Parts: sequence; C-alpha cells; structure tokens
Amino acid sequence: GAGVSQSPSNKVTEKGKDVELRCDPISGHTALYWYRQSLGQGLEFLIYFQGNSAPDKSGLPSDRFSAERTGGSVSTLTIQRTQQEDSAVYLCASRGAGTGSSYEQYFGPGTRLTVT
Amino acid sequence: QKEVEQNSGPLSVPEGAIASLNCTYSDRGSQSFFWYRQYSGKSPELIMFIYSNGDKEDGRFTAQLNKASQYVSLLIRDSQPSDSATYLCAVNWGYQKVTFGTGTKLQVIP
Repeated sequence: GAGVSQSPSNKVTEKGKDVELRCDPISGHTALYWYRQSLGQGLEFLIYFQGNSAPDKSGLPSDRFSAERTGGSVSTLTIQRTQQEDSAVYLCASRGAGTGSSYEQYFGPGTRLTVT
Repeated sequence: QKEVEQNSGPLSVPEGAIASLNCTYSDRGSQSFFWYRQYSGKSPELIMFIYSNGDKEDGRFTAQLNKASQYVSLLIRDSQPSDSATYLCAVNWGYQKVTFGTGTKLQVIP
C-alpha cells in the first residue's frame, strides 16, 4: 500500500518568510510524528499527534513552529518568520494503533528546507 | 531526559564479514526497540524491531536485546557494500515517546 508522503520535497525560502510543510500518513495510522534532521545530525523530535488527543508539542524549538492535523489524517507543519538555522530536512512518520506492542514508525521521504 | 547512545563510527568491515552495531539506553522501563537504516540523503527505513529479551532474526539481520544491561544490538551477517549506511537505534518509552540515537555509520569494504 501507499507509504507516508510529504510535500514539497524541496523548499527554498527567504529568511523571514513563512513556510508550510505537508504530511500524508499511511491510511489508518492514528499516530503522526514530525522530526527535524540537520545535516549530519540525529533526529530531533518536534511534535506528536495521537488520534483526537491533544498533541505533544514538547519538541517544538520556538513559538514560530506550529502544527495541526486535520480530520485525524493530513498534517501541516508551519514555520513562521523562517531563520537560517531552520534549514534542515523535516521528516514525518506515522504509526499504527499500537495494538499489542506494535509501535513501529514509518517515515516519509522528507522535505528539505533551505532558508537563504 | 531519556538517552540513547550509539558509537558514531564509522565502523568499517570487509564484505562478507559480520557487522555488529551497539546501542545503550537510559530508561529501564523501555519496552520497544527499533533499528532503522538511513542511506545518505534518504529517510530512515525500519529494518528490525524487538520487544523481548534475546535474539530476533530476520534474514541476514539479528537484533539482540538485554534489558538487564539496557543494551540492544544489531548484527548483519554476510555484510554487503549495499549495507553501507547509517544505522539508527530507537527506543520507545511511555506510550508514544521515541528517542533516537545519533546513529552509527557503517562502511562495508568490497
């Protein structure tokens, strides 16, 4: 079946502009995660959505970052007033219902954001 | 702060050898453990998960878990140049939290 999709694949923006990144999770997956990966670095957790529960925003680096998930499916990560340090690959992952011990996450291809 | 530690490498092994990748974690209550493979410029790809102490084998891959020692490893038998990538260890704690290690870069030399 279809995997996690993200758009755009690449985004170049000027410092100070707002950007929106989109994630379409695997159909039926109830949990959705956003991560950021800077060049040569590990994965930095940003935000987590689980069903209709309040999202876990504990990883968002500043109030310029926000995310929403509409209808329990598609998610949008918004970065306002972008800064050069926001340049990174933004990865989305989805996970099933977590029945039993099933907590595996499946990643999308990522959006490479470059702030000039 | 839940921590997952990996040696960054690079770990170099000759083609056909066994590659051994190691990971330690700080949360004694962690229940689920994952190995992801990430090729340069690509997103992480899940290759193994393990929940119980002991070994779990899948093809050329074996995951080993020792909860008492808070240690999880990945063995790759008959290593191939196509196995050259960064391997990320991930640990699930709480209901939804996952912490990723920074990864070990593996180089398989032909």
